[in-house]
Amino acid sequence: AQSVTQLDSQVPVFEEAPVELRCNYSSSVSVYLFWYVQYPNQGLQLLLKYLSGSTLVKGINGFEAEFNKSQTSFHLRKPSVHISDTAEYFCAVSTYGGSQGNLIFGKGTKLSVKP
Amino acid sequence: NAGVMQNPRHLVRRRGQEARLRCSPMKGHSHVYWYRQLPEEGLKFMVYLQKENIIDESGMPKERFSAEFPKEGPSILRIQQVVRGDSAAYFCASRRDTANYGYTFGSGTRLTVV
Repeated sequence: AQSVTQLDSQVPVFEEAPVELRCNYSSSVSVYLFWYVQYPNQGLQLLLKYLSGSTLVKGINGFEAEFNKSQTSFHLRKPSVHISDTAEYFCAVSTYGGSQGNLIFGKGTKLSVKP
Repeated sequence: NAGVMQNPRHLVRRRGQEARLRCSPMKGHSHVYWYRQLPEEGLKFMVYLQKENIIDESGMPKERFSAEFPKEGPSILRIQQVVRGDSAAYFCASRRDTANYGYTFGSGTRLTVV
């Protein structure tokens, strides 16, 4: 079985500061990895995904994430945040080769960007 | 090309009533997933459907919950005899047939049981 741990439930940061949202996963098989963003009272929007290839993945809105297989991590980073990045961020995994493709989510990290 | 459409956006039901949540996938998407988000929790997988078939319902509660995706029309998640613990946001996602995990999520239905 797979599981996802997001180590920080809340991350406050000042505008234009860098931010890292941490995600660790557990799986006995290879996985696909995802980061989603959820703005208040809205659905989830895909930020980026790792399927294969380069371990550094670039996404929308200036976010990037690095897949580290040895540490089973997929941390999300942005070098300079904006007020508009205030939202909840979810890390998720899915297994290779499965016909289902359903996602297993972490509990989320609330990013609060202050002026 | 409209995204995944869910309705209603908000639904209030009294305990014991039935709740019906609808999801229209994106055009060309034949795979539908339902997830539930409880307060302060991430999304939990409930059920995976293709047209006229339930592929995986391992995340569905054994009683009161059912889902369908008919040949014509939207996918329906049905909750009978709702209880306060069913209050949550329910999200639908859809994808194409290719296995590139390009999910698109709807904006969700927020169910409140009073």
